[in-house]
Amino acid sequence: KQEVTQIPAALSVPEGENLVLNCSFTDSAIYNLQWFRQDPGKGLTSLLLIQSSQREQTSGRLNASLDKSSGRSTLYIAASQPGDSATYLCAVNGDNFNKFYFGSGTKLNVKP
Amino acid sequence: NAGVTQTPKFQVLKTGQSMTLQCAQDMNHEYMSWYRQDPGMGLRLIHYSVGAGITDQGEVPNGYNVSRSTTEDFPLRLLSAAPSQTSVYFCASSQQTDTDTQYFGPGTRLTVL
Repeated sequence: KQEVTQIPAALSVPEGENLVLNCSFTDSAIYNLQWFRQDPGKGLTSLLLIQSSQREQTSGRLNASLDKSSGRSTLYIAASQPGDSATYLCAVNGDNFNKFYFGSGTKLNVKP
Repeated sequence: NAGVTQTPKFQVLKTGQSMTLQCAQDMNHEYMSWYRQDPGMGLRLIHYSVGAGITDQGEVPNGYNVSRSTTEDFPLRLLSAAPSQTSVYFCASSQQTDTDTQYFGPGTRLTVL
């Protein structure tokens, strides 16, 4: 069974810092990895999707990388802003590309 | 487009009661799924569907039933609610799971007393 771990569980940084969130998974046979953002009391919003054949994806100040062989992904946020404060979750699918496994998330607080 | 909609937003049940959580999407997506999210944990897949008439179990299917009679709707049924089913439930949809992102509804917060 695929296990997804996210470290750290919580992170507090001052505005303007560059930061890295980590995601690791136990089974490298994935089809894709997705990063989501969740605001308190809300649903999930997709940030980036990296297919298994790709190494990274970028959107604005966000850059996600994937190292499938080592079972790791990182989400890099440049020049963090208070509006980036949210919980960030990663998810992978595995032996069955219709089944997704989520990490427990990293709760980010960006202080003004 | 409304995207993915869920009703109700909040619900309180007594142990043993039954209810249906509604989920609808207007994006003509073939794939739909249900997750539960418990404090300090990530989302766990309950059931999913790859098209009308086709459903399958996820990671935590016990105590839940689903059916998919149309492309748009994917209701989740609790036949006899238990306190362990207190959670926030999310519905999601996607066109193709190997290449496309998932779109999530706003969630239903369920409390079972």
